[in-house]
Amino acid sequence: ETGVTQTPRHLVMGMTNKKSLKCEQHLGHNAMYWYKQSAKKPLELMFVYNFKEQTENNSVPSRFSPECPNSSHLFLHLHTLQPEDSALYLCASSLLAESEQYFGPGTRLTVT
Amino acid sequence: EDQVTQSPEALRLQEGESSSLNCSYTVSGLRGLFWYRQDPGKGPEFLFTLYSAGEEKEKERLKATLTKKESFLHITAPKPEDSATYLCAAGGYNTDKLIFGTGTRLQVFP
Repeated sequence: ETGVTQTPRHLVMGMTNKKSLKCEQHLGHNAMYWYKQSAKKPLELMFVYNFKEQTENNSVPSRFSPECPNSSHLFLHLHTLQPEDSALYLCASSLLAESEQYFGPGTRLTVT
Repeated sequence: EDQVTQSPEALRLQEGESSSLNCSYTVSGLRGLFWYRQDPGKGPEFLFTLYSAGEEKEKERLKATLTKKESFLHITAPKPEDSATYLCAAGGYNTDKLIFGTGTRLQVFP
């Protein structure tokens, strides 16, 4: 596999479920990001990890919990979500925090 | 407050009809201005990075330019396959964050 991969591509979950999104980058990058993309809104940065250390938490509710076990993998753990959390969740990586970011295909999340 | 504004929100062009997309930014100490292309249901695809006013970059029918307040993405003789949403983002020196605009949805008709 090349680039940035995300699984699953689609996820439907109830408000009481717990699920996790996975991201893997095959680019040898050192920074990884989670974004939320909702219709008619700009991309919203959620979390940044730089060399496995979390450097940014953009006031994200605690029902979203990130995990970065190494520079190639990033997870987003989800629990007790709300319907307004339905969106496209994008993972990205960059060589350095100030470099251009490369995005994965996203996970389309629907909360029922 | 750092901000990025893109215009127009949507643009319909006839094949071969050249035009420009605008990205206005307000960022304290710009370290880079980034352009992306996003197709429906996919993640953004990186196009260009511009670092300083006066810089230009080209790729096929696309040319990006940068001034101290805005960036333009010029599309020359577009084809239907250029149809996509084009996003710009600005990064400042004192942050790892990129501030994204809401994008311009481009449709090119044959």
